[in-house]
Amino acid sequence: GENVEQHPSTLSVQEGDSAVIKCTYSDSASNYFPWYKQELGKRPQLIIDIRSNVGEKKDQRIAVTLNKTAKHFSLHITETQPEDSAVYFCAAIISGSARQLTFGSGTQLTVLP
Amino acid sequence: DAGITQSPRHKVTETGTPVTLRCHQTENHRYMYWYRQDPGHGLRLIHYSYGVKDTDKGEVSDGYSVSRSKTEDFLLTLESATSSQTSVYFCATGDRASTDTQYFGPGTRLTVL
Repeated sequence: GENVEQHPSTLSVQEGDSAVIKCTYSDSASNYFPWYKQELGKRPQLIIDIRSNVGEKKDQRIAVTLNKTAKHFSLHITETQPEDSAVYFCAAIISGSARQLTFGSGTQLTVLP
Repeated sequence: DAGITQSPRHKVTETGTPVTLRCHQTENHRYMYWYRQDPGHGLRLIHYSYGVKDTDKGEVSDGYSVSRSKTEDFLLTLESATSSQTSVYFCATGDRASTDTQYFGPGTRLTVL
């Protein structure tokens, strides 16, 4: 089955700096890659996703890039703000298959004021 | 937040007792999932359902059973709770026909003493 590795497990940045979280996946057939944000004590919520026919996707201060050859994808947050502090999870799946989402182990992002 | 509720939200129980967690959705999503979340392990799939009375195991299904008698309800049962089942349990729903996005419930914090 799919295996998703996520790095780093913790990340601290100064407010205003950029943050990058990387994930690698094992199954080259995976073609849908969502990112979830989980604030302390809250539920995970989808913040951005990308499909394998696209190399990059942006939504305001967040962007996701995908390298299918290397089987890795990354979340980029620019101009970080204190409210960006949360745990971020990447995931991968073969869209339309019988398999289910496989999540990375999460990255605790702390934005220091 | 997608009409997904979980009950109870918090529960403390003793080793060896049965426990049932309930997930209720108003989104008419075909797929429903149970995850557990533990530090360092991210979100791990316990069981999922792809329709009424149709369920399958996830990666950490030992010690858990599920039932789905109606589209809107998905029950997770710990037949004889153990301390290793102390965790935060999240329900999620999705409509794989149109999107692989999953929507999460608020979570249940279970403590087994």
